[in-house]
Amino acid sequence: DGGITQSPKYLFRKEGQNVTLSCEQNLNHDAMYWYRQDPGQGLRLIYYSQIVNDFQKGDIAEGYSVSREKKESFPLTVTSAQKNPTAFYLCASSPWTSGHITYEQYFGPGTRLTVT
Amino acid sequence: SQQGEEDPQALSIQEGENATMNCSYKTSINNLQWYRQNSGRGLVHLILIRSNEREKHSGRLRVTLDTSKKSSSLLITASRAADTASYFCATGRGSTLTFGKGTMLLVSP
Repeated sequence: DGGITQSPKYLFRKEGQNVTLSCEQNLNHDAMYWYRQDPGQGLRLIYYSQIVNDFQKGDIAEGYSVSREKKESFPLTVTSAQKNPTAFYLCASSPWTSGHITYEQYFGPGTRLTVT
Repeated sequence: SQQGEEDPQALSIQEGENATMNCSYKTSINNLQWYRQNSGRGLVHLILIRSNEREKHSGRLRVTLDTSKKSSSLLITASRAADTASYFCATGRGSTLTFGKGTMLLVSP
């Protein structure tokens, strides 16, 4: 079964703790993305990676960090510096990217993070 | 900043009717994509239209793109209760997509 998995589905943390969200894909895609979605809102790009060991900040990278040590994996750490971390987090991948063409993205089921 | 803006924010129709959603954007794009999201789930890609295309069909979906007006529309024909979801347009520019806030579609049996 090919696809993107995110775990866990629900995550609860106390304020001040760092938390890492998992994203794994077996689609052999080069590019991976992290988005944040707040209620009634669209998706906002946090970080993306076009190749292993390289990643770029999106529109709202402050308070987040990522790593891309393997092609299949792109974990997101929500740090204690993120002011409003409670949100729905979505991971996606696409075959590859170039500066000229933006390909369709395949999404995981999401992780709902609640910080109290 | 969010590039695409969908209109209307919410749409309620009966099964069998057609549903039309619109998307406007601000800057040049290389393509425009539409996605569907069922409540609490990830997004599913529906259709991609390139900047040099004007219309595209996929099953019951019809997408138009007017680059002079920087707008797109998604038409779902003969809607079903299972079409109930949020629909997002996403504009492709460079390596990333920028998503709008979405249209919530409710199809009643």
